[in-house]
This record gives sequence, C-alpha cells and structure tokens, in this order.
Amino acid sequence: AQSVTQLGSHVSVSEGALVLLRCNYSSSVPPYLFWYVQYPNQGLQLLLKYTTGATLVKGINGFEAEFKKSETSFHLTKPSAHMSDAAEYFCAVSSGGYQKVTFGTGTKLQVIP
Amino acid sequence: DADVTQTPRNRITKTGKRIMLECSQTKGHDRMYWYRQDPGLGLRLIYYSFDVKDINKGEISDGYSVSRQAQAKFSLSLESAIPNQTALYFCATSDSSGLRYNEQFFGPGTRLTVL
Repeated sequence: AQSVTQLGSHVSVSEGALVLLRCNYSSSVPPYLFWYVQYPNQGLQLLLKYTTGATLVKGINGFEAEFKKSETSFHLTKPSAHMSDAAEYFCAVSSGGYQKVTFGTGTKLQVIP
Repeated sequence: DADVTQTPRNRITKTGKRIMLECSQTKGHDRMYWYRQDPGLGLRLIYYSFDVKDINKGEISDGYSVSRQAQAKFSLSLESAIPNQTALYFCATSDSSGLRYNEQFFGPGTRLTVL
C-alpha cells in the first residue's frame, strides 16, 4: 500500500520569501516520488521527480526537493517565491513497476506582493 | 507538439443522463488513465489501461465505465449521471518504455456539472 500526506492545504508566502511545501509518504517498497503543479484552469504538469540516485532533485522554475528516507519525506522548496508560483501543488508516490500513482490532496500556494 | 486532449472541456448535464468524456493523445504512449479531482480530495484514480486489451478499475470506479478504442483513445462514460459526479476530470498518459516511464502527462481537464 502507498499513501501521501501533504501538510497544509493552503500556504501563503510573501514575494521573495522561501517556499516550503511539505510531503510525507508511505510505501512498502522503495518509492518513486513526484511533485506536480496545477495552474488555474490547466492540467497537472511535472515539476520534478525522484526515482533513484541523488536525493536532492532539481526541477523546473527553481524548485527542488530532497528525498529523506529516514523521515519518509519529500518536501518541495524554492529559495525565493515569485508571483507566478501561485498555483496548486501535488505530491505523488508510485511503488513498483506498474506505475500506479497515488496523489496527495494538494497545497494551494498564495504569493503575497 | 505531442499532446493529450480532452473533449468536451466543459459540460453541464442533468441527473440520469448518459455522458461520455473523450481523451486522445499523440504522444504514442501505451498507458492511459482517468482521474477525478474534487476540492480537498486531490486526484483519485477511476480507471486505467496499460494497453488496448488491458483495462483496470481504480479506487473509485463505481458509476463509471471506460473504453479503449485504440492506443491513442480512451473514453470515460457515466451511464446515469448523478450530482455527486460533479467534478473536474483528467485524462493522463504514460510510457512504459524508456527512462520517463513513471511520469504521467495530463490533459487540460473536463469540468462536468450534473444538475
């Protein structure tokens, strides 16, 4: 079984401030982990993913995430928020080779000017 | 650009009506998925298909059916729509070969309202 917990359904940050979106996962096998972003009236697009290897993963638009096995976490960060980062962010986990993906409930990021 | 398209983008219907949502892709991917998105619940998997002859139920398949007409086409049907099926529906694809095999690509979504 696999699951994802995203802490905080809404997060507000000031423009230029650090963005931290939290994600914890549960998986019975080594997981693949993803962060997707959804802009208003659009589908989801991949920000970054962890499969194997380096635990610090860099994605698009300056985002990065670190896989911490001991904490079962995969938190998303960005050093300096931009207004265009306002969107909903989904963490997801996949276990095993058949690619069934379980999504978290999402975190809406608001960026305050 | 290779893409995932969904039709219609918006649909309003009445309780009891049969509705079909269509998904087409030009990515050449073998795997296709249908999700629904509800506020506060994230995305939940309705059905998935690993190839034309392989269709599987997801976590919330009751009240829905699907058809994989070709590798590029995957349709979702609501045989008798009910108001709690009001949601945003997404189609997604993935490729079982190559290094990106575990990444899913999403269509723009269909907003369905059942009155």
